[in-house]
Amino acid sequence: DAGVIQSPRHEVTEMGQEVTLRCKPISGHDYLFWYRQTMMRGLELLIYFNNNVPIDDSGMPEDRFSAKMPNASFSTLKIQPSEPRDSAVYFCASSSRRGGNTIYFGEGSWLTVV
Amino acid sequence: AQRVTQPEKLLSVFKGAPVELKCNYSYSGSPELFWYVQYSRQRLQLLLRHISRESIKGFTADLNKGETSFHLKKPFAQEEDSAMYYCALRSGGGADGLTFGKGTHLIIQP
Repeated sequence: DAGVIQSPRHEVTEMGQEVTLRCKPISGHDYLFWYRQTMMRGLELLIYFNNNVPIDDSGMPEDRFSAKMPNASFSTLKIQPSEPRDSAVYFCASSSRRGGNTIYFGEGSWLTVV
Repeated sequence: AQRVTQPEKLLSVFKGAPVELKCNYSYSGSPELFWYVQYSRQRLQLLLRHISRESIKGFTADLNKGETSFHLKKPFAQEEDSAMYYCALRSGGGADGLTFGKGTHLIIQP
């Protein structure tokens, strides 16, 4: 398996623009997580899904952030409108109960909002 | 609320010296503890989890419920151990997301 695949790897965008980050979890995994990593706050869980259903979105910072999982092999994290303080690395991760719930991370999407 | 504390932002040791990365947690139930490692600009990788009680790359960690700690140790540091190390917690037996500490940057000097 290629692991968790994220795109884009790097994005630079202007303040006010919409940003869409994409994630393909490991095949067969039924949990999907979105994390944000910043120097100041470290790794924060934004939202996670089980069987494509959002379970806990309490970490989503504000209404500008939204996440969807239309099917078992794809998820998006959208920021609209983006702000400079959204600059961070966004990690997607997945796990499965059958796999002992070990969480595997993607390589991250490096977002810079100018 | 659950919390993970890694008191050291940066730890620098010489090659061949012992390493201990500290991790303390607060959690009211029975936790599951993990250590993840992140090499420069790469993805986080699971290093070890307390229920496995295994040694990976020479690292070990023991869960001490009395002290609510899960310190990561290695007797002889190697240069390739230089990385960010994150301690993480999850409710035992659960499949929830992990709560991470802020990480410790380990630098191994030659």
